Amino acid sequence: NAGVTQTPKFQVLKTGQSMTLQCAQDMNHEYMSWYRQDPGMGLRLIHYSVGAGITDQGEVPNGYNVSRSTTEDFPLRLLSAAPSQTSVYFCASTQGGRLNDEQFFGPGTRLTVL
Amino acid sequence: AQSVAQPEDQVNVAEGNPLTVKCTYSVSGNPYLFWYVQYPNRGLQFLLKYITGDNLVKGSYGFEAEFNKSQTSFHLKKPSALVSDSALYFCAVRDYGQNFVFGPGTRLSVLP
Repeated sequence: NAGVTQTPKFQVLKTGQSMTLQCAQDMNHEYMSWYRQDPGMGLRLIHYSVGAGITDQGEVPNGYNVSRSTTEDFPLRLLSAAPSQTSVYFCASTQGGRLNDEQFFGPGTRLTVL
Repeated sequence: AQSVAQPEDQVNVAEGNPLTVKCTYSVSGNPYLFWYVQYPNRGLQFLLKYITGDNLVKGSYGFEAEFNKSQTSFHLKKPSALVSDSALYFCAVRDYGQNFVFGPGTRLSVLP
């Protein structure tokens, strides 16, 4: 199993550009989520999905869109990049169903918006 | 709303000494608690989780965590620290909506 994969590893954007961060998991997990990590702030939830076709907003959803057309994939779209979106982005997945199931994390995407 | 506090930004400990990384939580209902570790330029890795009824939970790499309901704490411990344990540690709680809430993280430095 590859686990949770993310592409790209690094990305530099100019203000106003759009892009999609890819996330895929091969563990047949129902629950997937996107976080951003900023120094001193831990991980903040952007969007999450409890299954294919179902998505919802987390703590910091503004400026981001998601979709979940398959169980495996959960892409994150930046519609019009802003310098405040400079961060490290992590995708994670959980089996779901039991609240004591742990999350599995991807390696992250480091995004810089100029 | 669920919340997690990690009162120490940084913990320094000498190699071979015991280490403790503190975590307190606030939840409504039963707590579902987790510890994760993050090495530089890597994603988070699961260390251990609280299982109802076990006040001392054992996890990966020799780590364990002590659950204290009255103090709403879930401190991470290790009897003998290694230099390779130096990393960023996150405590997390999961709510009934299935979302995870993370603490701000504690940077552990183990000095040789």
